[in-house]
Amino acid sequence: GQQLNQSPQSMFIQEGEDVSMNCTSSSIFNTWLWYKQDPGEGPVLLIALYKAGELTSNGRLTAQFGITRKDSFLNISASIPSDVGIYFCAGLPSSSNTGKLIFGQGTTLQVKP
Amino acid sequence: GAGVSQSPRYKVAKRGQDVALRCDPISGHVSLFWYQQALGQGPEFLTYFQNEAQLDKSGLPSDRFFAERPEGSVSTLKIQRTQQEDSAVYLCASTGRPYNNEQFFGPGTRLTVL
Repeated sequence: GQQLNQSPQSMFIQEGEDVSMNCTSSSIFNTWLWYKQDPGEGPVLLIALYKAGELTSNGRLTAQFGITRKDSFLNISASIPSDVGIYFCAGLPSSSNTGKLIFGQGTTLQVKP
Repeated sequence: GAGVSQSPRYKVAKRGQDVALRCDPISGHVSLFWYQQALGQGPEFLTYFQNEAQLDKSGLPSDRFFAERPEGSVSTLKIQRTQQEDSAVYLCASTGRPYNNEQFFGPGTRLTVL
């Protein structure tokens, strides 16, 4: 099925470093969402973006909805060990009328204390 | 509880068996989604309900997959004659308003078909 292009696939960083990941699509999206998934659990919503150019923060997390509506990025500042997990972008295509989300393949984040 | 719950959390089936996976959405949530997540991949859409109506089943991979939500609350995903390629985590999500895109996910059911 259709998926977004999410990069990087994995990251191994030192505690305290900043992290950046992004998602791109060949088609226009109306909504971008960022989720975090821990092993054995379902994805947990971190940030939702609804307008092109929108920049939204949630604590140490900041995400932006690209002005072309075909991309989004997520930044995590001053990473801590509990940031470890898999981060997924998800988008709602402009062609969708049912709320069906398209997900990226995930970025696995590992943080070294 | 306040969140989406799913049962069982783990299911092992022999190839050819039928399975039924249950989802209890957040109370009062109108919209309910099922996704399939293969190992190392992002979730992929299976089907969508608004109340009891199944409005989109375009993601169901074959006619062995069937979902229902008869009273507009609890939903069941049924897989008939399971195959090894059906092994995955099945996630359920719900939202409070139709076309609200902030979907809240349950913990998933990990299905292993031997």
